[in-house]
Amino acid sequence: NSKVIQTPRYLVKGQGQKAKMRCIPEKGHPVVFWYQQNKNNEFKFLINFQNQEVLQQIDMTEKRFSAECPSNSPCSLEIQSSEAGDSALYLCASSLNWAETLYFGSGTRLTVL
Amino acid sequence: GQQVQQSPASLVLQEGENAELQCNFSTSLNSMQWFYQRPGGSLVSLFYNPSGTKHSGRLTSTTVIKERRSSLHISSSQTTDSGTYLCALDGGQGTGSKLSFGKGAKLTVSP
Repeated sequence: NSKVIQTPRYLVKGQGQKAKMRCIPEKGHPVVFWYQQNKNNEFKFLINFQNQEVLQQIDMTEKRFSAECPSNSPCSLEIQSSEAGDSALYLCASSLNWAETLYFGSGTRLTVL
Repeated sequence: GQQVQQSPASLVLQEGENAELQCNFSTSLNSMQWFYQRPGGSLVSLFYNPSGTKHSGRLTSTTVIKERRSSLHISSSQTTDSGTYLCALDGGQGTGSKLSFGKGAKLTVSP
């Protein structure tokens, strides 16, 4: 069973507000991914980290999100100015290395009113 | 186009019947991962299967790379199997996203 912990489970924000979610990867997992799952079950990769460093991120994340994965603190993903289209389930996953399977948290369901 | 095509999109069974879910992929893969997504959203990894057949209880996963397909077989389905099943192509380190997901298969098992 996955030990990736995501908080909060639910997040409700108004348009233009900041929305911040957190993720504690499994202990000893240096690789962290964030995905967005929309209501049509479509997954979108957002960003990944290895040992606190951003390796890859999509354009949207670079422009509108702030993300970090500091050592000895939870990883975080923050939308700087929420839009209605950001309403989705945000899933964090971690792995021991790139060749291994990803273990997912329970997700943060964001609703932007 | 989408790298992973999952079918069927939904499936309704009577308890005790078997289910066969398919994923076809169009690119090379490191492995195929199958997930069960709970109604609340959390993803439970069922199999990480680069090739061949793997078993876990009533579940069987088969990945055939030459034919670019992977399947999940659920035998003797139970009502508690109801939920969404997702396959995800693991492209390995060369792909930034690592996982490319299918759109999921919603399984409903009636008593």
